[in-house]
Amino acid sequence: QKEVEQDPGPLSVPEGAIVSLNCTYSNSAFQYFMWYRQYSRKGPELLMYTYSSGNKEDGRFTAQVDKSSKYISLFIRDSQPSDSATYLCAMSARGGADGLTFGKGTHLIIQP
Amino acid sequence: DTAVSQTPKYLVTQMGNDKSIKCEQNLGHDTMYWYKQDSKKFLKIMFSYNNKELIINETVPNRFSPKSPDKAHLNLHINSLELGDSAVYFCASSYPGLADSGAQYFGPGTRLLVL
Repeated sequence: QKEVEQDPGPLSVPEGAIVSLNCTYSNSAFQYFMWYRQYSRKGPELLMYTYSSGNKEDGRFTAQVDKSSKYISLFIRDSQPSDSATYLCAMSARGGADGLTFGKGTHLIIQP
Repeated sequence: DTAVSQTPKYLVTQMGNDKSIKCEQNLGHDTMYWYKQDSKKFLKIMFSYNNKELIINETVPNRFSPKSPDKAHLNLHINSLELGDSAVYFCASSYPGLADSGAQYFGPGTRLLVL
């Protein structure tokens, strides 16, 4: 079993839809959770950062962490064609002292 | 005012050669990392340095040697390049002392192709 599981997609939705992206993980020591967006041939861009369980909202993006289920989610409201990218979940146990463990990424396509 | 920069962006070389990739960050962070993204787009940690000291060294062939001349720079030297080293290499940095400890900021990547 991989440490972090993420459906690679592609996930195709119409513009304006709410997008739900998810990851599951097996290591209960993880307590720092991040979502990155990666456009083709670019570096990962940090979107959301969450420590431990709970919700965090930033504009159209909401991140949720459920440590009891080892499940994290990213919601994108009012999706735009410019949101089309690969979304990577990442996590670590000890914050900056650790490298991040990434999911394989979900390829998201927003259709105009 | 690029936060994390890498040079070169592209590197095409022959098997057996030695090459270096450079990384610089102007964020004032004290921890820097190297990641490898393979052809299936999977990102994996290779090394991390904190204040010029190696703190993470994942299972990476010893042909790969990181060097940190100061806390704003982390270079990656690769000896005797092999076909399987072809990948995109990303540098990242973080500042563990901040409230968003663990959040890492990535450079644009260096695309290495070994022929």
